[in-house]
Amino acid sequence: QVQLQESGPGLVEPSQTLSLTCTVSGGSISSGDYYWNWIRQPPGKGLEWIGYIYFSGTTYYNPSLKSRVTISVDTSKSQFSLNLYSVTATDTGVFYCARGNGYGRIDYWGQGTLVTVSS
Amino acid sequence: QSVLAQPPSASGTPGQRVSISCSGSSSNIGTYTVNWFQQLPGTAPKLLIYSNNQRPSGVPDRFSGSKSGTSASLAISGLQSEDEADYYCAAWDDSLNGHVVFGGGTKLTVL
Repeated sequence: QVQLQESGPGLVEPSQTLSLTCTVSGGSISSGDYYWNWIRQPPGKGLEWIGYIYFSGTTYYNPSLKSRVTISVDTSKSQFSLNLYSVTATDTGVFYCARGNGYGRIDYWGQGTLVTVSS
Repeated sequence: QSVLAQPPSASGTPGQRVSISCSGSSSNIGTYTVNWFQQLPGTAPKLLIYSNNQRPSGVPDRFSGSKSGTSASLAISGLQSEDEADYYCAAWDDSLNGHVVFGGGTKLTVL
């Protein structure tokens, strides 16, 4: 059974960088069948796809966030990471890492981690 | 404003059949398959339907999906109280170099 677990600070100051890591277990992050996603959900609102990375390092990002986002992968640690730059209060929300097929079929999700942007 | 349009709310009584719509365009639903997710309160979303109408193992056959043109629908028959949740559609969109798009979500209330 594939499991994903997000980790990182729960509080980030405005204008700083939000950094999260997702650790994958029970399956290989180097499998060519899957893409590794970050998705967020502001409090009381809907889901927003941030982007994903393939094990080779190929990335796709949400056009609305592309200028502020970097997703990277470390296959040796079975981890992938998110950096969201120059955050504001509107970036507050629950961040999920998840496994998908690259076309929106997202079959395994982490439990999510709440990140609050505040001074 | 979400790329995929869903009604913000839906409701039904136990045993009833309800449908939730998801409207897109030629760059997403019109070309690519649709996936549906169920999010129970306080939990991570769960894949409910993939490839328009396929159910992952463990999802009851009360849940079904369909697609026609640039729209898709999720139907729930034999509505149960535990079906009260938020439902989201998602698909690939090939505009702007390609990205995944979600609907805004529909909150289903079981009366």
